[in-house]
Amino acid sequence: AQSVTQPDIHITVSEGASLELRCNYSYGATPYLFWYVQSPGQGLQLLLKYFSGDTLVQGIKGFEAEFKRSQSSFNLRKPSVHWSDAAEYFCAVRPKAGNMLTFGGGTRLMVKP
Amino acid sequence: GAGVSQSPSNKVTEKGKDVELRCDPISGHTALYWYRQSLGQGLEFLIYFQGNSAPDKSGLPSDRFSAERTGGSVSTLTIQRTQQEDSAVYLCASSFSGSQEFFGPGTRLTVL
Repeated sequence: AQSVTQPDIHITVSEGASLELRCNYSYGATPYLFWYVQSPGQGLQLLLKYFSGDTLVQGIKGFEAEFKRSQSSFNLRKPSVHWSDAAEYFCAVRPKAGNMLTFGGGTRLMVKP
Repeated sequence: GAGVSQSPSNKVTEKGKDVELRCDPISGHTALYWYRQSLGQGLEFLIYFQGNSAPDKSGLPSDRFSAERTGGSVSTLTIQRTQQEDSAVYLCASSFSGSQEFFGPGTRLTVL
């Protein structure tokens, strides 16, 4: 069955530290890949997406993600976390011939001062 | 409008009542999606509209759920005979022909 896994439910990092959020997917063929962020009481905001080409993708707010086909992974990274980055992060995939997103369970990020 | 809007932002209802949730997509977007976000199930796809094509209803959890999209724009998600397990945040999204999806702020539904 197709699935998206975010192994870390909660992560706490200190402000200024680096961040990596993990995402693994299980699909028959490489799907389109997305990372969304959701702040409390807000909708989902797209951080970045991978459709094809360069496997290192730059997004908004200083985030980047790297697609690794051999590991079926699409991990999100940020070199220096800001307090405003505290939110819930969702990895999502959509088959190239499909209509809808399948989301991972989310990772809640807390930032210590 | 500037983004996807949803109304109401919050809805509290009694078990057994019917509710209607509204979504106004971004003007010109041909695709419209409904998702549900709940504590137990995470984010789940419900239904997808694309232009004048028949909607993809494969994510609707029961026949109590239905949705329509009038004139290729506004969509209404209807839940009949609500149950407590229907309590969730219902998110609407729109996109232009399968590109990036833009999400609305959601409607928080509480069934007492």
